Amino acid sequence: EAGVTQFPSHSVIEKGQTVTLRCDPISGHDNLYWYRRVMGKEIKFLLHFVKESKQDESGMPNNRFLAERTGGTYSTLKVQPAELEDSGVYFCASSQARSPLHFGNGTRLTVT
Amino acid sequence: AQKITQTQPGMFVQEKEAVTLDCTYDTSDQSYGLFWYKQPSSGEMIFLIYQGSYDEQNATEGRYSLNFQKARKSANLVISASQLGDSAMYFCAMRETNTGGFKTIFGAGTRLFVKA
Repeated sequence: EAGVTQFPSHSVIEKGQTVTLRCDPISGHDNLYWYRRVMGKEIKFLLHFVKESKQDESGMPNNRFLAERTGGTYSTLKVQPAELEDSGVYFCASSQARSPLHFGNGTRLTVT
Repeated sequence: AQKITQTQPGMFVQEKEAVTLDCTYDTSDQSYGLFWYKQPSSGEMIFLIYQGSYDEQNATEGRYSLNFQKARKSANLVISASQLGDSAMYFCAMRETNTGGFKTIFGAGTRLFVKA
């Protein structure tokens, strides 16, 4: 079975630009999560989809971040416009109900 | 508020010895799950072990065991017979299973160094 895949693996953009991160969960996993880890800090929850619906988006930093999950399959996380403090590693994870999270390898975002 | 605390930023252990990584949590939920994940230098997050709040026995998976002390709200990871490949970041996590979702929160992690 294919795991969670994330694209791109790295992205370097300038402040003010737009970046879109993509996550393809494991097929059949209804739950999809986005997390972010800033260097040396905890893995911070951003939001949680159940199928195509946003179940919890309490961790989204501000309205520069927009997440979508079209048709309950893949998800995108767009940052527009990017700021320096948005730099970090963005992880996507998926799960079925109470099963452990399966993580992608993350997207390392650097905003210069 | 739900919170995970890992007080050890870094730990050293001699190869073949056992090591305990600390984790305490705070929740008002009665039903929750506790997880440990490993993140090697390659960056992927690897699930290691799970403990449910109602499980009476401590979870074990090979060389990993979870020392679950519910009254103290601690869920320490014990790695027996450490190997060089165990050098990595280790994250403790908790999933709330209250109605409405399965949000999982993480601690700041502990970096483990295994010495030859």
